Amino acid sequence: QKEVEQNSGPLSVPEGAIASLNCTYSDRGSQSFFWYRQYSGKSPELIMFIYSNGDKEDGRFTAQLNKASQYVSLLIRDSQPSDSATYLCAVNPLYNQGGKLIFGQGTELSVKP
Amino acid sequence: GAGVSQSPRYKVAKRGQDVALRCDPISGHVSLFWYQQALGQGPEFLTYFQNEAQLDKSGLPSDRFFAERPEGSVSTLKIQRTQQEDSAVYLCASSPGLYYEQYFGPGTRLTVT
Repeated sequence: QKEVEQNSGPLSVPEGAIASLNCTYSDRGSQSFFWYRQYSGKSPELIMFIYSNGDKEDGRFTAQLNKASQYVSLLIRDSQPSDSATYLCAVNPLYNQGGKLIFGQGTELSVKP
Repeated sequence: GAGVSQSPRYKVAKRGQDVALRCDPISGHVSLFWYQQALGQGPEFLTYFQNEAQLDKSGLPSDRFFAERPEGSVSTLKIQRTQQEDSAVYLCASSPGLYYEQYFGPGTRLTVT
């Protein structure tokens, strides 16, 4: 079992729809969770981070964390073609004492006009 | 303010050559991380520093890889006797502290021929 798992996609949604991206992790003691967006040929760009159970909203983005079920999700409302990118889930596991991130392989999102 | 910068952006090396990759973190960020990203995969941890101390180098793939951050600011990742399997994008990230969010530089794309 991979430490952080994401569906590779591609996930295709129409413009204006809600895109839902999911991520599961294996270390139950994980404390910090991050979502990065990566355009083709570019480096990861931080878009959300969440530490506590529940929802965290920032503009069109909502991160949801459920530690009991060991999953974290990212919702993108009113999806735009410019949201088309690979979304990386990253986790800081408890066993690690130094803050390194474990990444999933990423989910490719395509927003169709 | 200025983000993380990396140089060179692209590097082509012949097999067996040594290379040095530079990272300038965000001013004031005490934590600095190096990751390696293969095509179609999420970044994989290599090593990290807290100020000038290298606290974890467990991700370095072989003893040909060496990293330093002598004054707690700029860091250099050195790869000796490069091999074709070293071809990847090398990403540097900095953070205000351990367990905080990490901000990535543009990366260095290394191609070993």
